[in-house]
Amino acid sequence: GIQVEQSPPDLILQEGANSTLRCNFSDSVNNLQWFHQNPWGQLINLFYIPSGTKQNGRLSATTVATERYSLLYISSSQTTDSGVYFCAGQADSWGKFQFGAGTQVVVTP
Amino acid sequence: GAGVSQSPSNKVTEKGKDVELRCDPISGHTALYWYRQSLGQGLEFLIYFQGNSAPDKSGLPSDRFSAERTGGSVSTLTIQRTQQEDSAVYLCASSLKRGYNEQFFGPGTRLTVL
Repeated sequence: GIQVEQSPPDLILQEGANSTLRCNFSDSVNNLQWFHQNPWGQLINLFYIPSGTKQNGRLSATTVATERYSLLYISSSQTTDSGVYFCAGQADSWGKFQFGAGTQVVVTP
Repeated sequence: GAGVSQSPSNKVTEKGKDVELRCDPISGHTALYWYRQSLGQGLEFLIYFQGNSAPDKSGLPSDRFSAERTGGSVSTLTIQRTQQEDSAVYLCASSLKRGYNEQFFGPGTRLTVL
C-alpha cells in the first residue's frame, strides 16, 4: 500500500502567523483529503482535493498529483486552528484511505 | 440525521468480554469504513464496505475482530475476547459512492478495556 508522510510533525505558531503543512505520498493517489481533528477528537473535513487548488476562507490546499504531494496553507492563524491536521490518500477509485501521522498545530495568543 | 452517528460514545469493558460497536452512515452513502485511533496516534484502517460486502478486510488486526453491514446501511464492529491493547477510539466514516469518495467521519466510540 501507499505510504503517507506528513511534515512537520509539530508546529507552534503565534496568532496571526501563516504556515504550510506538507503531505508526501510514496505512490500516486486517486483521491486525497485533509482533515482537522479538534481537541474533542472529531475529524472535520477541510478539503477533498485529488488535484489542483482549493480555498476555503483562511485555508487553502494544493495537490500536485504528478509529483505525489499536497500542501495545506493556513493564513492569519487563530487559536481555534489548534489541533491535529491529517492528510489521507486513496490509491484506487475505491477502498481504504491511508492516513499520515498528522501535524500537531498549537496556535498561541 | 445529517451526519454519521456511532454508538455507544464510550464503552468500558473487562478483559475477555465481547463488545459491539455500531455505526449509522449518512443516508444514501454506499461505502463505509472503520478505523482505529490509539492515543496520540494516527488512524489505522480496519475494514471497508461497499454496500453489504467487504472487499477489503486487510486491516483487521486479528480474528477476534469482525464486522458486518446490513441493508447497505448500519454496520457493527464486533471485538471478541477483548484485550487491553484493543483500547482505542474506533471511528466510522462513510462516502457517497465509488468514484466520489469524500469520507465523512462519525464522533467515534472510545473503548477502554480494563
